[in-house]
Amino acid sequence: QAVLTQPSSLSASPGASASLTCTLRSDINVGTYTIYWYQKKPGSPPQYLLKYKSDSDKQQGSGVPSRFSGSKDASANAGILLISGLQSEDEADYYCMIWHSSTWVFGGGTKLTVL
Amino acid sequence: QVQLVQSGAEVKKPGASVKVSCKASGYTFTSYDINWVRQATGQGPEWMGWMNANSGNTGYAQKFQGRVTMTRDTSITTAYMELTSLRSEDTAIYYCARNPAKTGDFEYWGQGTLVTVSS
Repeated sequence: QAVLTQPSSLSASPGASASLTCTLRSDINVGTYTIYWYQKKPGSPPQYLLKYKSDSDKQQGSGVPSRFSGSKDASANAGILLISGLQSEDEADYYCMIWHSSTWVFGGGTKLTVL
Repeated sequence: QVQLVQSGAEVKKPGASVKVSCKASGYTFTSYDINWVRQATGQGPEWMGWMNANSGNTGYAQKFQGRVTMTRDTSITTAYMELTSLRSEDTAIYYCARNPAKTGDFEYWGQGTLVTVSS
């Protein structure tokens, strides 16, 4: 089982909100991890969005709009990236990442379509 | 402004080695780590390892242990990643990324270097 699992795709309408999940393998507890989120568009390197461990331990990437935010769902053992007020430019692949077993591990990514 | 500029695309035969450079500017080179991440077409990013630009200490993903070497030349603020025994599965875009030590804030990235392994 993969360390991080993300839905392969998600569609949402402009102006709506999108909730992207990153589920941790059942033997590792989301509460102990900082979840990092990256946006990837074709032809460009990944862009750092934010990191979230708790409401008191989180950080937005430089210049990243506040409509991108992070949270956790402990019951689902998952990290969440919430994008509100969706814009066409938000259409991209989104990846979560954690530090696990001395390795930076990326999720498989979610392709967000804004239509 | 912070910039990471990588060397150009490479085409290699299976079994060969490749060395990709990452020229840093706009910040104090030795104050940050450099990480290397690759992404093959249709796949997610894959972390390869980190290097502390000050000490030269490194840490590699287990998958690449024995095949990857990360080095730097502080006099020209350049980091290097060498991957040996190339196989077709190593075809990917290779990125360097800067982060404060022991964090996953990869806020600055190189433009990427396409490495193609083909006979």
